[in-house]
Amino acid sequence: LAKTTQPISMDSYEGQEVNITCSHNNIATNDYITWYQQFPSQGPRFIIQGYKTKVTNEVASLFIPADRKSSTLSLPRVSLSDTAVYYCLVGDGLRNTPLVFGKGTRLSVIA
Amino acid sequence: DGGITQSPKYLFRKEGQNVTLSCEQNLNHDAMYWYRQDPGQGLRLIYYSQIVNDFQKGDIAEGYSVSREKKESFPLTVTSAQKNPTAFYLCASSLTGARDIQYFGAGTRLSVL
Repeated sequence: LAKTTQPISMDSYEGQEVNITCSHNNIATNDYITWYQQFPSQGPRFIIQGYKTKVTNEVASLFIPADRKSSTLSLPRVSLSDTAVYYCLVGDGLRNTPLVFGKGTRLSVIA
Repeated sequence: DGGITQSPKYLFRKEGQNVTLSCEQNLNHDAMYWYRQDPGQGLRLIYYSQIVNDFQKGDIAEGYSVSREKKESFPLTVTSAQKNPTAFYLCASSLTGARDIQYFGAGTRLSVL
């Protein structure tokens, strides 16, 4: 499984755009990139998934460069309620091996 | 309401006691998972199951046991062999396999008396 590296923590003010970058240098051809969000004392929640270029949904955007060795989760205009831990996972499921949740990035949004 | 239900929300274990955490899903998902989360840490996989009557060990299976007799149920037993069971336990399910979106329950917080 491709190993991922994310910043341990980030701070942001309300209303700003937040970009969290995940490094996955040994990503395989069939691997997808998936992001989850976790609030304290709750289970993680799926945010977005992508394979290449850009994916956007109502919550976030995911930017993946051509070499796919990294990806960036972009949260537009964050609010206090976006304070959470964000996990980047890489894997393809073809091997049907569960993806690994690392320690994630703890985002703190400040008023 | 479709989803994953974990019970109980809080559980206390005495020394030498086995305890069982319940996980039920009505999403008609084939795959189910159990994770352990310690304070300030990520999720670590205990066991997973991709089909009824079959399951595989995850990274930290020692001291735990599971069963998958029904598609909708995947109970986890924390045995007395698990010497440090205090943690937040999360159950998840996905449609078929690892690449599918995982849906999580609300978790069970286990403490030792």
